[in-house]
Amino acid sequence: EPEVTQTPSHQVTQMGQEVILRCVPISNHLYFYWYRQILGQKVEFLVSFYNNEISEKSEIFDDQFSVERPDGSNFTLKIRSTKLEDSAMYFCASSAGRTNEQFFGPGTRLTVL
Amino acid sequence: GNSVTQMEGPVTLSEEAFLTINCTYTATGYPSLFWYVQYPGEGLQLLLKATKADDKGSNKGFEATYRKETTSFHLEKGSVQVSDSAVYFCALSLKDGGYNKLIFGAGTRLAVHP
Repeated sequence: EPEVTQTPSHQVTQMGQEVILRCVPISNHLYFYWYRQILGQKVEFLVSFYNNEISEKSEIFDDQFSVERPDGSNFTLKIRSTKLEDSAMYFCASSAGRTNEQFFGPGTRLTVL
Repeated sequence: GNSVTQMEGPVTLSEEAFLTINCTYTATGYPSLFWYVQYPGEGLQLLLKATKADDKGSNKGFEATYRKETTSFHLEKGSVQVSDSAVYFCALSLKDGGYNKLIFGAGTRLAVHP
């Protein structure tokens, strides 16, 4: 059964460093999403991506964040200069269509020290 | 604004007990409602959904009914199993903007003991 994969499963970084979280969506899906969950808090929408551009972003998704689909299979989330408050579980999701079910990856736990 | 509130966990039950996890929502439009489940070490999986009032979503013995009058979507199962131990997330989506971002509740951890 096709699934969304994410790497790494756990990333530890120093404050101020850049990190790239990687996702491989399901191959025939066209819509891509990033969500995050700070420990003990709600899963929050960050950004959606379609046709090689951002279609919607939340207020959390500021200039420190960017997304890219560099090669037709990967979907990446970059945080340019990490802050302590960026520590969270980051989930990637994809869907075949705008109203179709979103399939989630297992998440990447980011720890900023 | 749009939000989802679900009961705090953890919920601890014995096998074959009845489960209810409460979920209520606030939405400016007419949302679709979902329950997602996260098993240890895995991603969020769609458990069931309902797209309009009085619809009942069901899957794997779980059920939830879209109640517009009480803005609720409570999850129920008549007889839980140890394998149901997981974190359950209630969520909504609104079709404004066209891209159906999901708005989640905080999650409720369920632990089922033999």
